[in-house]
Amino acid sequence: KNEVEQSPQNLTAQEGEFITINCSYSVGISALHWLQQHPGGGIVSLFMLSSGKKKHGRLIATINIQEKHSSLHITASHPRDSAVYICAPHNYGQNFVFGPGTRLSVLP
Amino acid sequence: GAVVSQHPSRVICKSGTSVKIECRSLDFQATTMFWYRQFPKKSLMLMATSNEGSKATYEQGVEKDKFLINHASLTLSTLTVTSAHPEDSSFYICSFGGGVSNQPQHFGDGTRLSIL
Repeated sequence: KNEVEQSPQNLTAQEGEFITINCSYSVGISALHWLQQHPGGGIVSLFMLSSGKKKHGRLIATINIQEKHSSLHITASHPRDSAVYICAPHNYGQNFVFGPGTRLSVLP
Repeated sequence: GAVVSQHPSRVICKSGTSVKIECRSLDFQATTMFWYRQFPKKSLMLMATSNEGSKATYEQGVEKDKFLINHASLTLSTLTVTSAHPEDSSFYICSFGGGVSNQPQHFGDGTRLSIL
């Protein structure tokens, strides 16, 4: 079973700060998703990546398959970025395993 | 992108009631859908995988007779919580995509179930 850890568990930042959320897992994977869960519970898939780096707006996700580690970065953070961020690694043909999530609060 | 509609968004009912949650893919034919449960401040936990036209596959510890899943068409999957009890109060969310096809997952907005 893939053990997934995220750090930090909770993060409070001031608007405009650069934020990094880390995800590590124990079993080699073929892809990893970063998910954003809003306070109401709705979930949005931010990225799916299997190598290197992806960028979407102010969000950047990186993954190092050999080191079993991925990071999600938010540049110029904004209060609307406040949410729980979840990483979900998986292998082809297998179900997703979800990390415990990182609760981010961005203060104005 | 693909859109998933989940209904209802919130249910409050008495113990012993059966509750049906619907999950529809609006612009994607989903042969496989996933049902998750999330307790407060906990991670998403996969309950079962719903396969169109066949029996769902349940994760260990999930009672198939209590959580009835029907995936009768490529656009609709339902989860019925039978004879619900307060310990079934949770956030239930569906998704499709990912898994074997390694496609991005698309999530419903979730259903918050409260059993009194």
